[in-house]
Formats: sequence, structure tokens, C-alpha cells
Amino acid sequence: GDSVTQTEGPVTLSEGTSLTVNCSYETKQYPTLFWYVQYPGEGPQLLFKVPKANEKGSNRGFEATYNKEATSFHLQKASVQESDSAVYYCALAPITNAYKVIFGKGTHLHVLP
Amino acid sequence: AQTIHQWPVAEIKAVGSPLSLGCTIKGKSSPNLYWYWQATGGTLQQLFYSITVGQVESVVQLNLSASRPKDDQFILSTEKLLLSHSGFYLCAWSSGQANTEVFFGKGTRLTVV
Repeated sequence: GDSVTQTEGPVTLSEGTSLTVNCSYETKQYPTLFWYVQYPGEGPQLLFKVPKANEKGSNRGFEATYNKEATSFHLQKASVQESDSAVYYCALAPITNAYKVIFGKGTHLHVLP
Repeated sequence: AQTIHQWPVAEIKAVGSPLSLGCTIKGKSSPNLYWYWQATGGTLQQLFYSITVGQVESVVQLNLSASRPKDDQFILSTEKLLLSHSGFYLCAWSSGQANTEVFFGKGTRLTVV
């Protein structure tokens, strides 16, 4: 079946250090891939999406490359800030049922000042 | 701009009592609509989706039901709440096309006691 697996948290970093949150997926053919961010007490917000294999998405200094060979979509940021503290979700929309968006378990990021 | 409004913001309900949660989307005609559930600290589980008025597809069985009485309205309900229904309920919408991102409301925090 369709699934998303991502880095288990919490992840604690100091401000100015780099971030990598691993995401791997299983599905048939080529899905659309997303990264969402959720702040406490709010609904998730789209960070960016990548509909095509081997393309990169980016927003607010975060980026991820859709690697179809490795079935991965790792989230990276070169220098995190305290305001980046949140839960990050990797998600996919499978080609077999594009209305059934599947989310990973989320990675809780704490950034220390 | 599109807006999504969920009500109520929070509820405390007794086991065995009925429940009705709602959301309204403004500024978008014929959206796809979704209900998600999030246990405290947990991942996002899609419960239902609807592509058109009057038609709702169930993704998981949690003794809940959903209805779409109008193009811009989505209702989640049950006649008898269980303790396991506690959590954060999120309504979301996407455009009429497949493989597009979903946009979430601010959610309803439900506590069943």
C-alpha cells in the first residue's frame, strides 16, 4: 500500500545549524510529494509541493528534491531559526487515488536560541 | 481569497453523546473537501473526502459519518461519542483537480470525557 516514513522526532537543534528530515515513500508510479508545517494549535500549512520526479521544491529557506530512484524527499535547511520550531510532515498524493493524501507521522523540531 | 471556517473551535462532550462539527469554504466553487483527525501528538489520518455535493467517501471507519449538504459545507457527525474520538479534527479543501495541495482550517479540539 501507500505509505510515508520520516525521521522520528523530536529533533533538537541550535539556531544556525543545518537541518535534514528524512522522508521516504512507497506507492505505485510517481506521486505528487508535499512538505507541510504545523504550529501548535493550528492546522498544517503547505510548505511546498513537487509534482514531478527529479525536481526541487523550496520555500522559506527549506528545500527538498523528489528522488524517484531512491523514493525519497528529504527536507533540508542550511541554517535553522528559533521560529522554525514546529512539526513537519512529509505527504504524498498517490497516482491511484489523488484524493487520498497520505501523511507521515511528523517530525517535531525544536530550535534552541 | 479562499477562506475556510471550522466550528466550534473546541468541544468537551460526554461519552455516548452526539456530535456535529462543521466547516464552510468561501471563495472557491466546487472544492474537494476532506476531514482529517489528529490524535494528540499523532499523525494526520484522513477520515472522509467529498468531490461533489451529496457524495462522501469514507477512508477509515471510526464510527463517524460525514455529509456535504451544500457545495461549500462539510459536516462530521456521530450519534454516540467514544473516548477514542478525542483529538483534533481538521477540515480541508483542495481544487477540483487531482494531485493538488490541501488547505486546512484551524481545527476543532474535541475532548470526550
